[in-house]
Amino acid sequence: EPEVTQTPSHQVTQMGQEVILRCVPISNHLYFYWYRQILGQKVEFLVSFYNNEISEKSEIFDDQFSVERPDGSNFTLKIRSTKLEDSAMYFCASSGTSDQETQYFGPGTRLLVL
Amino acid sequence: SQQGEEDPQALSIQEGENATMNCSYKTSINNLQWYRQNSGRGLVHLILIRSNEREKHSGRLRVTLDTSKKSSSLLITASRAADTASYFCATASGSIQGAQKLVFGQGTRLTINP
Repeated sequence: EPEVTQTPSHQVTQMGQEVILRCVPISNHLYFYWYRQILGQKVEFLVSFYNNEISEKSEIFDDQFSVERPDGSNFTLKIRSTKLEDSAMYFCASSGTSDQETQYFGPGTRLLVL
Repeated sequence: SQQGEEDPQALSIQEGENATMNCSYKTSINNLQWYRQNSGRGLVHLILIRSNEREKHSGRLRVTLDTSKKSSSLLITASRAADTASYFCATASGSIQGAQKLVFGQGTRLTINP
């Protein structure tokens, strides 16, 4: 069964460093999403992406964040200058045109900012 | 802003019993979805119920939706140890034709005792 994959599974970085989190959505999906979950808290929406542009972004998704679909398979989230409070699990999700309502999530990348 | 809020926050039952979790939200929705998350892992989509549906079944899962009360329930029948996980409701909004943002609740931590 097709699934969303994410790399790396864990990332430790120093405050102020740039990180890029990578996702490979399900191959025929057209809608892409990033969410995050701070330890012990709700899963929060960050951004949605369709047709090579951002559809919607949350207040969390400030100028330090960016997303890109550099090729036909990858979808990346970049945090330009990480802060301690960016430590969280980051989930990528995708949905397809035949069932765009159902979002399929990847296993997540656990980011720790020191 | 709309929220999905689950109750109870934690539920512990014996294997074989039924588990019921509830979710309330605040604004109009396109659909409501339930996800499962095993500890430290990704989100697994369980079931989606649209705003014009009242009840839906999938295997041992039964979901109801009451849009007049802005609430939903998830029933897991004949629970198994493997059902131990956190369960989240998520409400979807946005253009039916486009990417939809999911807003998650805090979740119910379900423990099935053997």
